[in-house]
Amino acid sequence: KAGVTQTPRYLIKTRGQQVTLSCSPISGHRSVSWYQQTPGQGLQFLFEYFSETQRNKGNFPGRFSGRQFSNSRSEMNVSTLELGDSALYLCASSLFGGLDEQYFGPGTRLTVT
Amino acid sequence: DAKTTQPPSMDCAEGRAANLPCNHSTISGNEYVYWYRQIHSQGPQYIIHGLKNNETNEMASLIITEDRKSSTLILPHATLRDTAVYYCIVISGAGSYQLTFGKGTKLSVIP
Repeated sequence: KAGVTQTPRYLIKTRGQQVTLSCSPISGHRSVSWYQQTPGQGLQFLFEYFSETQRNKGNFPGRFSGRQFSNSRSEMNVSTLELGDSALYLCASSLFGGLDEQYFGPGTRLTVT
Repeated sequence: DAKTTQPPSMDCAEGRAANLPCNHSTISGNEYVYWYRQIHSQGPQYIIHGLKNNETNEMASLIITEDRKSSTLILPHATLRDTAVYYCIVISGAGSYQLTFGKGTKLSVIP
């Protein structure tokens, strides 16, 4: 079956702008988690959605938000972009959220200039 | 969650076993050891996890010491496609939903 897809794969934005990233989970998966990965901080958890509800949230400012639709597709939004938001944004889907069943997408590489 | 320590890099000859160590000396009783890897330009991939018993699956074996303060991930017959960064993480309870990776070990499989 098709894997997790993320769009776009690459994005360049300017400071102060906002951005929306999209994630389509594996068919049948109800949990979608978002992560930020940078060389300095490694992989950090942003939030997890399950059946359209945010179930878990990491320690990121309110500029980072997300949502999940009834078909389990998820979007992540970052407002008022800062240079430090440049990162690889990964989404992972799973049936119920278990770490041993998470499948990651290829990520969206965001560059803020 | 407990902190882990891994060597920054390792080399392994193709076809040989790759043994990747991880120290987690502050691990507590309900914390699991998870291993993931990330091949360049791809998302992380789950490999294996365990609580206190050794575990084996189609990808690897996980050996956890009796005191649980360290573990070793074993790739029995490394191939070039196993070249990746390997992350050892300790997570409280199997019901956790969050992953936080540190620097990991960059494994280079040499032909």
